[in-house]
Amino acid sequence: GEDVEQSLFLSVREGDSSVINCTYTDSSSTYLYWYKQEPGAGLQLLTYIFSNMDMKQDQRLTVLLNKKDKHLSLRIADTQTGDSAIYFCAESKGPGGGADGLTFGKGTHLIIQP
Amino acid sequence: ETGVTQTPRHLVMGMTNKKSLKCEQHLGHNAMYWYKQSAKKPLELMFVYNFKEQTENNSVPSRFSPECPNSSHLFLHLHTLQPEDSALYLCASSQVGTGGRNSPLHFGNGTRLTVT
Repeated sequence: GEDVEQSLFLSVREGDSSVINCTYTDSSSTYLYWYKQEPGAGLQLLTYIFSNMDMKQDQRLTVLLNKKDKHLSLRIADTQTGDSAIYFCAESKGPGGGADGLTFGKGTHLIIQP
Repeated sequence: ETGVTQTPRHLVMGMTNKKSLKCEQHLGHNAMYWYKQSAKKPLELMFVYNFKEQTENNSVPSRFSPECPNSSHLFLHLHTLQPEDSALYLCASSQVGTGGRNSPLHFGNGTRLTVT
């Protein structure tokens, strides 16, 4: 299987919470990231979490990390039409977040229904 | 100026052409990266430059040739490409600290390449 796996699509109603899930295989990952990509744009860093944390909250965003199960989730509260995008989960290779780039999932398309 | 700027935004080239993609970062970072984003595939790391030295080359075909003249500029020289090389090419930068601690990657908006 892939090193980082995500569902390809998630559809939610405007105003509801969105939960995007990700699993990874590298137990030595030290940083885990969520990036957002809007059409025609590059990847925008949303948030990241260090592996010794299990939760991080930043306004409408909540990241949960279950290191035992190698499972990461991103919750977006009160989802808005502007949240429609592709969300990428990524993990750093090797310890200490080394300078050899990140490993990305295929991305989850978040679709907002009115 | 945005943090990471890529030019051109769009490029159409024939298989016999030679072209270059340019990336410039204004964040004072010391590491730069090229990623390839194809439809229905994860982002693929192509090259990494750390302090202007290439530290990673993920089995990229020689028709892709990177150049990093200084820590702010990164090029990707293209020649004799194939149609399957059509993709979005993303540049990123980060700050590599001591002890391997890295800042997160900051991405440009990419160059959409079409090979005909």
